[in-house]
Amino acid sequence: AQSVAQPEDQVNVAEGNPLTVKCTYSVSGNPYLFWYVQYPNRGLQFLLKYITGDNLVKGSYGFEAEFNKSQTSFHLKKPSALVSDSALYFCAVRDMENYGGSQGNLIFGKGTKLSVKP
Amino acid sequence: EAGVAQSPRYKIIEKRQSVAFWCNPISGHATLYWYQQILGQGPKLLIQFQNNGVVDDSQLPKDRFSAERLKGVDSTLKIQPAKLEDSAVYLCASSLRVYSGGAAADTQYFGPGTRLTVL
Repeated sequence: AQSVAQPEDQVNVAEGNPLTVKCTYSVSGNPYLFWYVQYPNRGLQFLLKYITGDNLVKGSYGFEAEFNKSQTSFHLKKPSALVSDSALYFCAVRDMENYGGSQGNLIFGKGTKLSVKP
Repeated sequence: EAGVAQSPRYKIIEKRQSVAFWCNPISGHATLYWYQQILGQGPKLLIQFQNNGVVDDSQLPKDRFSAERLKGVDSTLKIQPAKLEDSAVYLCASSLRVYSGGAAADTQYFGPGTRLTVL
């Protein structure tokens, strides 16, 4: 079965420092990977996705993610964290095993809470 | 471009009561999803529509949950009767295309969600 894992429940960084939120995946075939952010009492906002091509994907709000096939990882990064980046971050993979008529649903990790302190 | 709209934003009911949620997807989006997000977990798919047809409801508790998308645009999700464990945020999402090889790359855009509390 396809899955994603976010090994850290919480990540704490100081404002201005680089941040990394980790995600590993398990899929059969080529992965379609996504990152979303969720602010309190808000829905999920799309940040970026990897479909094919360059391993470094750039997204919204200065975020980027690096696809590493050998390590089956898709870590989210930002060079300089802002206090306003504090939120819940979700990694997701498209369920390509069941992709046939149903378009393959997103399978989400449990989320990582990012806390950026001034 | 308007995003995915959902209402109500919050709902509190007692167990065994019924409740309905409404979703209006992004204009032109053919595929619509309902997810359930329990506190501390990632969203989990309940049902997926392509236009007005159901293509995946394998994780929908059909004894109490129902959903429809009659005209292929907006959708309603109903719970009857509600249980305590149904307390969650119900998220609606939409994406552009119906099933095709390329559609797997389409981004799903989410609404703000409806937070349901069952007492």
